[in-house]
Amino acid sequence: GEQVEQRPPHLSVREGDSAFITCTYTDPNSYYFFWYKQEPGASLQLLMKVFSSTEINEGQGFTVLLNKKDKRLSLNLTAAHPGDSAAYFCAVRPNTNTGKLTFGDGTVLTVKP
Amino acid sequence: DPKIIQKPKYLVAVTGSEKILICEQYLGHNAMYWYRQSAKKPLEFMFSYSYQKLMDNQTASSRFQPQSSKKNHLDLQITALKPDDSATYFCASSSGGVTGQLYFGEGSKLTVL
Repeated sequence: GEQVEQRPPHLSVREGDSAFITCTYTDPNSYYFFWYKQEPGASLQLLMKVFSSTEINEGQGFTVLLNKKDKRLSLNLTAAHPGDSAAYFCAVRPNTNTGKLTFGDGTVLTVKP
Repeated sequence: DPKIIQKPKYLVAVTGSEKILICEQYLGHNAMYWYRQSAKKPLEFMFSYSYQKLMDNQTASSRFQPQSSKKNHLDLQITALKPDDSATYFCASSSGGVTGQLYFGEGSKLTVL
């Protein structure tokens, strides 16, 4: 089955710096890709979903890159601020209707003032 | 207001007992899911239901039984509890379809002593 490896497990940056998180996946049939943010004790909040036909997506303060050739999904938070401190999870999903997401292990991001 | 309500938010159980985790969604979605998050493993897909029918089951143990009494309900019954069952259980829902975005509840944190 699908396996998703996420790096790094922990990341500490200064306010204003960029934070870069990467996931690699194994299943070439993976078609939908997601980034979730989880604050302590809270639920998962969707940051962005990416379809395999799109390689670059920009959100508010972050960019998501998809490299299908390398089976790599990346999240780059630009100009991070303390409010970005949270756990971030990538998730991948095949082109089927089971709703099954395979998650990475997560990255705990700390943004220091 | 949360649109996916999970009850209870926290619960403690003794080994061998049985518990039911409640999930109700008010998003009008036709698909519902259970995921588990523990200290040892990342978010794991457990079950998916669509129109109250089981679509996918990735849980090896029959001790975990989803129950759907209504379209917007998907409870999770766990019997013969073990300490390894200690985790936060997240309910999710989506409007279905291969592009359906999953919305997560706030989780039920189960501790088995």
